[in-house]
Amino acid sequence: DQQVKQNSPSLSVQEGRISILNCDYTNSMFDYFLWYKKYPAEGPTFLISISSIKDKNEDGRFTVFLNKSAKHLSLHIVPSQPGDSAVYFCAASATSGTYKYIFGTGTRLKVLA
Amino acid sequence: NAGVMQNPRHLVRRRGQEARLRCSPMKGHSHVYWYRQLPEEGLKFMVYLQKENIIDESGMPKERFSAEFPKEGPSILRIQQVVRGDSAAYFCASSLKGGRALAQPQHFGDGTRLSIL
Repeated sequence: DQQVKQNSPSLSVQEGRISILNCDYTNSMFDYFLWYKKYPAEGPTFLISISSIKDKNEDGRFTVFLNKSAKHLSLHIVPSQPGDSAVYFCAASATSGTYKYIFGTGTRLKVLA
Repeated sequence: NAGVMQNPRHLVRRRGQEARLRCSPMKGHSHVYWYRQLPEEGLKFMVYLQKENIIDESGMPKERFSAEFPKEGPSILRIQQVVRGDSAAYFCASSLKGGRALAQPQHFGDGTRLSIL
């Protein structure tokens, strides 16, 4: 039962262009969502989060959009840089619960110079 | 990932041995989470602890796995009588607040890669 899904295993984008990573969830109790970036042999690094009371959160080149009715969120990276090449995981949590995160399977982003 | 310290980074065990994985949370953090990542998969929640208390162990296998977060010292994830299927990367995360408090992101360590021969 995959409650958080990232349907694109990989994505290639030209440097300077926009990267859009997508994530879908099924559990309507989720109300806190996060994106993490992961390099090989390292732990996930927190990027940006959004609470369900918002539909957009922005931090520098990173913007997360939340569409609650569609149970969909996306991460936009503008402009994309070669250093952004990594695996990106979305995660969801129900703050009425114990704050465990449910992770998607990840999308490998490759930014081409 | 400065702050959350996990050791060892790599651990090799033979089938039937015990594995002990350690996690020191970020300074000031009293909430610790353990996750497991199998190859080509996302991270799967195992257990959530506060000092001296297990809050949620719904992701822990019923047998052979245990976790603790004592008053003093690191959190320990213990796997007894390891089997080949236990081979994975085990990540620890910590947060400033948890439960029903204001959402706080979890910060992760670099993991322990466990290999079972």
